[in-house]
Amino acid sequence: QVQLVQSGDEVKMTGASVKVSCKASGDTFDTSGVTWVRQAPGHGLEWLGWISAYSGNTNYAQKFQGRVTMTTDTSTNTVYMELRSLTSDDTAVYYCARGGVSASGLDPWGQGSLVSVSS
Amino acid sequence: QSVLTQPPSVSAAPGQKVTISCSGSSSNIGNNRVSWYQQVPGTAPKLLIYENNKRPSRIPDRFSGSKSGTSATLGITGLQTGDEADYYCVTWDASLTAGVFGGGTKLTVL
Repeated sequence: QVQLVQSGDEVKMTGASVKVSCKASGDTFDTSGVTWVRQAPGHGLEWLGWISAYSGNTNYAQKFQGRVTMTTDTSTNTVYMELRSLTSDDTAVYYCARGGVSASGLDPWGQGSLVSVSS
Repeated sequence: QSVLTQPPSVSAAPGQKVTISCSGSSSNIGNNRVSWYQQVPGTAPKLLIYENNKRPSRIPDRFSGSKSGTSATLGITGLQTGDEADYYCVTWDASLTAGVFGGGTKLTVL
């Protein structure tokens, strides 16, 4: 069954960009797509957006419109989430998960990638 | 302030039953499917319930989900110390055209 393996932790300066990868191993992404979620330290889960791993169609949270880009590389079964113009409020663990919230649940999840933003 | 409202914490003794509520509106829970996740601190969330009341095969039947109107409920019976975790509901919000999570509920097994 599919496992999602994310890229490593990152430390970024304010104003920089970060690109987190999420690779499917053991199987490919199915038609349900991939959702990105983040969790700031001591806070709950926040939905960033969704991407179809096959078509590249996306749906982003209004809060991140213009600052986030999700892409897919079908040749390597990898999806990417890039977040630009980072501030300290973007310090969080970023998760990818197979599926969409309106579909059959988010499962499985990647292990998470910590992005730390400092000035 | 989360779109979906969950109690911040619940507690119960081992072996007992607990329910966790998730309250929303017609733009989200009222017209969309709800899923529930368990998150042990420091680890990734894990799917418990999808499509309001369905369990992945690996999830024991001690966990159940239900939905009525604009609210959903997660039930856990036969509580074990290993059930101590944070629990989140999530669904789609048609007005926001976005996924929305509850604020999370911390379960303590006394």
